[in-house]
Amino acid sequence: EIVMTQSPATLSVSPGERATLSCRASQSVSSNLAWYQQKPGQAPRLLIYGASTRATGIPARFSGSGSGTEFTLTISSLQSEDFAVYYCQQYNNWITFGQGTRLEIK
Amino acid sequence: QITLKESGPTLVKPTQTLTLTCTFSGFSLSTSGVGVGWIRQPPGKALEWLALIYWDDDKRYSPSLKSRLTITKDTSKNQVVLTMTNMDPVDTATYYCAHLLGRGAFDIWGQGTMVTVSS
Repeated sequence: EIVMTQSPATLSVSPGERATLSCRASQSVSSNLAWYQQKPGQAPRLLIYGASTRATGIPARFSGSGSGTEFTLTISSLQSEDFAVYYCQQYNNWITFGQGTRLEIK
Repeated sequence: QITLKESGPTLVKPTQTLTLTCTFSGFSLSTSGVGVGWIRQPPGKALEWLALIYWDDDKRYSPSLKSRLTITKDTSKNQVVLTMTNMDPVDTATYYCAHLLGRGAFDIWGQGTMVTVSS
């Protein structure tokens, strides 16, 4: 099983600043990597797939990069609605999710 | 517009079998390339993938839960059914079904259904 490790567990950032979230795979997943946003009491929302392709309706301030084992989700200028938990997911070999990064207001 | 909705019991007893139904609209599971998956999330914890079914009836299961899971589809009813045997309190979670985008990202999710396992 491919293990996905996200860091940090919690990230404190001020509105308007940039946030950088990391995800590492225990073995190469090529570009078969997705990012999700989840707010309390809601289902996850797909942000990025194919490591860098924004899903339909996702604002341009969200960007994804990386391939192989190292991936990054960047939110260029944080809005109030962006504070949430973010998960990465690989789908190169079965499907596994990371443990999540909580993005909180500083 | 694609929508999915999960249904099933909110409470099951240990050792019982859980049956969940995902009823969807806006797509057909008889169309080439289409898939539906199940994912769960224990309270306060991370997401865990359970199973996938494709338009051609190909099925995939989480290796750690494979022996307990069965996924089926009823194309005429636009439904996907997941059964999980031998339920345990650690299986308490919100269970989601979701539409598969391409190879394995889930682009549209149901609202989820909370299942508690307790005697």
